[in-house]
Amino acid sequence: EAGVTQFPSHSVIEKGQTVTLRCDPISGHDNLYWYRRVMGKEIKFLLHFVKESKQDESGMPNNRFLAERTGGTYSTLKVQPAELEDSGVYFCASSLLGTGGTEAFFGQGTRLTVV
Amino acid sequence: DAKTTQPNSMESNEEEPVHLPCNHSTISGTDYIHWYRQLPSQGPEYVIHGLTSNVNNRMASLAIAEDRKSSTLILHRATLRDAAVYYCILRTQGGSEKLVFGKGTKLTVNP
Repeated sequence: EAGVTQFPSHSVIEKGQTVTLRCDPISGHDNLYWYRRVMGKEIKFLLHFVKESKQDESGMPNNRFLAERTGGTYSTLKVQPAELEDSGVYFCASSLLGTGGTEAFFGQGTRLTVV
Repeated sequence: DAKTTQPNSMESNEEEPVHLPCNHSTISGTDYIHWYRQLPSQGPEYVIHGLTSNVNNRMASLAIAEDRKSSTLILHRATLRDAAVYYCILRTQGGSEKLVFGKGTKLTVNP
């Protein structure tokens, strides 16, 4: 069974450009989460989808970030326009719907560098 | 969000047991205790979770205090591959069930 897949693994863009990160969750997982780690800081929650609906987007830093999950399958996270402080590693995770006792599976992450 | 407290770092020798402690004095009755770890240059990886009773799986054991205000992750025989940052996380039932990562414990395993 394929795990959570993220693309690209690395991205280097200039300040002001747009970048789109993609996450393919494990098939059948209705929960999909985005997290990120900025250098030197802890892993922070960004948002949570249940199927195609945003359940919690309290961690999104500002309106330059837009996440979508059309059809409830893969998800994209677009940063437009990118700023230097957006550099970091973006992780996607998926899990089955549950009651707090389900395991979350993480992708390898996308390392974003804004120069 | 409920908070956990872990030592910043711990060291162990290869093939010896490791006990990683976690305090979560504000835990509520519906919070599950989850442990994840992150190996260098990889995404976080699930290790184990429990609610009230001790749990065992192929990776580790989880010992939960009777009052649930603390727990201990036990690696029975540490290997070099177990060197990672270990996170103790409370996951609340209902809502977004997001994982709230702290600083974790950086485990060093000496050969």
